[in-house]
Amino acid sequence: AQSVTQLGSHVSVSEGALVLLRCNYSSSVPPYLFWYVQYPNQGLQLLLKYTSAATLVKGINGFEAEFKKSETSFHLTKPSAHMSDAAEYFCAVSEDNNDMRFGAGTRLTVKP
Amino acid sequence: DTGVSQDPRHKITKRGQNVTFRCDPISEHNRLYWYRQTLGQGPEFLTYFQNEAQLEKSRLLSDRFSAERPKGSFSTLEIQRTEQGDSAMYLCASSLGGSAFREAFFGQGTRLTVV
Repeated sequence: AQSVTQLGSHVSVSEGALVLLRCNYSSSVPPYLFWYVQYPNQGLQLLLKYTSAATLVKGINGFEAEFKKSETSFHLTKPSAHMSDAAEYFCAVSEDNNDMRFGAGTRLTVKP
Repeated sequence: DTGVSQDPRHKITKRGQNVTFRCDPISEHNRLYWYRQTLGQGPEFLTYFQNEAQLEKSRLLSDRFSAERPKGSFSTLEIQRTEQGDSAMYLCASSLGGSAFREAFFGQGTRLTVV
């Protein structure tokens, strides 16, 4: 069964610094992978998705993620953090075009 | 149609009462999902529908939980004899099914508090 592990429940960066949120997946077949963001009292919003096309995926708000099969990873990055990026980020995997399974989430704090 | 709609947004109920939540998906989406999210955790899959058929249920979905999607449009999630452990955010999502994966769009959730 598919699963994801997000390393680091909390990440804190300074405004303008690199953001790196880690996600490792487990899947018996080539997976679909996703990053979602959740702002307080809001639903989940899709940042980007990997569906076996390009391994480097660009998303909204300047985020991107790279699929690395050899490392079973799908880490999320952004070159320069903005205060508005403070939120909870969830990595998710789907291996059978049905449901998605989410990681426990990483709370990103951006310091001025 | 601006997105997935959930009603109510908040529900406070006494332990032992029954509650029902409603989800209206994006109109052309044939797949509908229910997730539960507790504080500090990611969404946990509960169940999903393709049209009116309930195709998968998590073991998290005890016999006190039932979900329906009678006409393949809106869905309801009922919890009978609520327990304090049922307190959580219940999220609904919808997507287009088919050979190419379409991402799920989420509603804002229903926050349940059992007192």
